[in-house]
Amino acid sequence: RKEVEQDPGPFNVPEGATVAFNCTYSNSASQSFFWYRQDCRKEPKLLMSVYSSGNEDGRFTAQLNRASQYISLLIRDSKLSDSATYLCVVNWGDSSYKLIFGSGTRLLVRP
Amino acid sequence: NAGVMQNPRHLVRRRGQEARLRCSPMKGHSHVYWYRQLPEEGLKFMVYLQKENIIDESGMPKERFSAEFPKEGPSILRIQQVVRGDSAAYFCASSPGTGGSNYGYTFGSGTRLTVV
Repeated sequence: RKEVEQDPGPFNVPEGATVAFNCTYSNSASQSFFWYRQDCRKEPKLLMSVYSSGNEDGRFTAQLNRASQYISLLIRDSKLSDSATYLCVVNWGDSSYKLIFGSGTRLLVRP
Repeated sequence: NAGVMQNPRHLVRRRGQEARLRCSPMKGHSHVYWYRQLPEEGLKFMVYLQKENIIDESGMPKERFSAEFPKEGPSILRIQQVVRGDSAAYFCASSPGTGGSNYGYTFGSGTRLTVV
């Protein structure tokens, strides 16, 4: 089983759509969770941390289910500029520094 | 306050040559992390360094790869006798202390190594 698993997509949605990405992780000791965004041939950029209670940042909502070891990202009112690859990221077990990256889910928002 | 600086942005090497990738951490940061991204894959942890110390190199290939973070100057990731399979994007991140992964990292713009 992969340490962090994501559907590679691509998700092809029209502008204004709501789209959800899911991710599962294998190490139940993990404590820190993130979504990163990566544009083509660029560095990954931190989109948001994911907290147990769920958190929202504008059009983006992240949820964590520790029991199921499952993380989600919801994007509402998609914009063309949201087109990118979204990386699910988890710290490795109780490590204070090692991050494990999923392979990413590609999103294409069309006009 | 400049972010994490990596150079060169692009590096082309012939098989068998050496590649040296540099990473200057953010000001005041003394911890550096190197990650590698192969085509169509996620980033993979390579090595964690503090000034003059390698803390965890469990993600480094056993041969040809080495890393250092001297007291003065940038961190260097060195790949000797490069092979085509070393072609990848190499990203560096930094933090002021331990526990950096609790907050997520800010990565440099990366070095794209192409071995021909």
